[in-house]
Amino acid sequence: EADIYQTPRYLVIGTGKKITLECSQTMGHDKMYWYQQDPGMELHLIHYSYGVNSTEKGDLSSESTVSRIRTEHFPLTLESARPSHTSQYLCASSESGAAKNIQYFGAGTRLSVL
Amino acid sequence: QKEVEQNSGPLSVPEGAIASLNCTYSDRGSQSFFWYRQYSGKSPELIMFIYSNGDKEDGRFTAQLNKASQYVSLLIRDSQPSDSATYLCAVKDSSASKIIFGSGTRLSIRP
Repeated sequence: EADIYQTPRYLVIGTGKKITLECSQTMGHDKMYWYQQDPGMELHLIHYSYGVNSTEKGDLSSESTVSRIRTEHFPLTLESARPSHTSQYLCASSESGAAKNIQYFGAGTRLSVL
Repeated sequence: QKEVEQNSGPLSVPEGAIASLNCTYSDRGSQSFFWYRQYSGKSPELIMFIYSNGDKEDGRFTAQLNKASQYVSLLIRDSQPSDSATYLCAVKDSSASKIIFGSGTRLSIRP
């Protein structure tokens, strides 16, 4: 079954640690996205990718980085986690093409930095 | 700055009635429009997409698009308590490969 997976689902970590949030999709989608969302608040795009070796910064300034070495994999890394990074991180993917911009979301990673 | 505007609500509708959710957008070149539903603590899930002016119906849901007025709406007929959620309007950015999301309207269906 084609899907989009995020791991871990929950992560509690201390300040200063390096973390990587994983996102993989089996739908063969070219485009992938990372969003940050605080509880009850709006979605903020932090990174996106058109395809392999392409990454772009989103609308919200973020201290995280991303890479796209394989079509199906789009990990997000925080080099030094801080309490201000506490949030939910959502990964999404979509097909290319004029009428194919529907984004499908993973279940999310809820990050708490102590 | 391209924007998608929604009333944050909460919008309270009695069970069985029609819920009407509205959205305006600033990007005049947009061609693709989406409605997502997000339950508390969950990820957004697509419920409707529309590309052409007019109405598009899918079960109890009807999306309406008016490009001249830059206006998108979602009607939910025979509202059920399970429809209680936040509804996100989203618009494809005409100059970049991304979607612009509104801040969402919180809908509450009262029994």
